[in-house]
Amino acid sequence: NAGVTQTPKFRVLKTGQSMTLLCAQDMNHEYMYWYRQDPGMGLRLIHYSVGEGTTAKGEVPDGYNVSRLKKQNFLLGLESAAPSQTSVYFCASSRWTGESSYEQYFGPGTRLTVT
Amino acid sequence: AQKITQTQPGMFVQEKEAVTLDCTYDTSDPSYGLFWYKQPSSGEMIFLIYQGSYDQQNATEGRYSLNFQKARKSANLVISASQLGDSAMYFCAMREFGNEKLTFGTGTRLTIIP
Repeated sequence: NAGVTQTPKFRVLKTGQSMTLLCAQDMNHEYMYWYRQDPGMGLRLIHYSVGEGTTAKGEVPDGYNVSRLKKQNFLLGLESAAPSQTSVYFCASSRWTGESSYEQYFGPGTRLTVT
Repeated sequence: AQKITQTQPGMFVQEKEAVTLDCTYDTSDPSYGLFWYKQPSSGEMIFLIYQGSYDQQNATEGRYSLNFQKARKSANLVISASQLGDSAMYFCAMREFGNEKLTFGTGTRLTIIP
């Protein structure tokens, strides 16, 4: 049981390049999330998904796109990377939340630098 | 709008002492949950403890307890008998039920001194 995994762990991009971050979970969770973490700030929600084939915008969605074609995978895309997107990206998953306490399980993070 | 405030950027505590990490929150929703996560230097986010807005008792998980004062909108994390391995960043977070967004505070960096 690997939990939540993220690929790659590190990446350096030049401004304008594109890339896709892959998140996979093996806990059969319905909900998946992408966050970014910047120095001096907590995690901020980029996009999330409440089930296969559905996605929704979070707090800071601009410049990112996501897809959830399979329940276990959640992809985060940067179409044209900018230096402001230099950050550590975390993926998370959880069971159906509703009015309940289910915590989010986080992946190990991807450190992205855009030069 | 939900908001989390952690006013202690950093704390130094002697090993084996208890430590309290402060967290205040703001929400107009009567139904919400409060979470604490630990982020060691390795970077992963580790769930520690949860408190629901309707829970009558303060949550406890081993050496972790949550001092929940609903009227004051505070949810402080208490770590008893601190250990060197407790050195990490600690984040308080909140989710309003019916809203998928988990809002994080800016964190407190805890350093345990031997």
